[in-house]
Amino acid sequence: QMQLQESGPGLVKPSETLSLNCTVSGGSISSHFWSWIRQSPGKGLEWIGYIYYSGSTTYNPSLKSRLTISVDTSKRQFSLKLTSVTAADTAVYYCATLTGIGGRFDYWGQGTLVTVSS
Amino acid sequence: DIQMTQSPSSLSASIGDRVTISCRASQSVSTNLNWYQLKPGKAPKVLIYATSKLESGVPSRFSGSGSGTEFTLTISSLQPEDFATYYCQQSYNGNTFGQGTRLE
Repeated sequence: QMQLQESGPGLVKPSETLSLNCTVSGGSISSHFWSWIRQSPGKGLEWIGYIYYSGSTTYNPSLKSRLTISVDTSKRQFSLKLTSVTAADTAVYYCATLTGIGGRFDYWGQGTLVTVSS
Repeated sequence: DIQMTQSPSSLSASIGDRVTISCRASQSVSTNLNWYQLKPGKAPKVLIYATSKLESGVPSRFSGSGSGTEFTLTISSLQPEDFATYYCQQSYNGNTFGQGTRLE
């Protein structure tokens, strides 16, 4: 059973860079799409972007200018960097993967809360 | 961008009730529509994919239907563990989620 675990700072200052890692266990990282999704307080889910194991990326157009998703197969990790953050970037950040058909996110981490505040 | 609109935004129901949640897309997504269940502090869980296919391990009381722009998630007989928030997601063009339906 594949498991994903987010890690990173829970507090980031405005204008700085939010950085998170997702560690994958119980399955191969050298296949599939690896994604980040967030949920802002009181709001719905927002897809951030994903990376194919080979390194090709697809980003949400609304975040593209500030976003980098990368993968390190040797560490079994993929990462999120979001620059120039504001309070609007405060959210629970989930990592997730698409391993099967239908474009569904079938494995998720439990999420990590990141607060943007000075 | 494809916008997804769920209704209702919240729903009160009782154990044993039949519950229906709707999801409307701003343009056709064919059958590229998935449903998720979210509970606080837990990893989200996919229930239904490709409109009507039941994810492995998900109870058969969950079902999905629709096509094009109109979709429905149905819980045939509500159980205590089903009180949660439900989201639809289109994967036809990028990925967009609905705003969620809180079942209480």
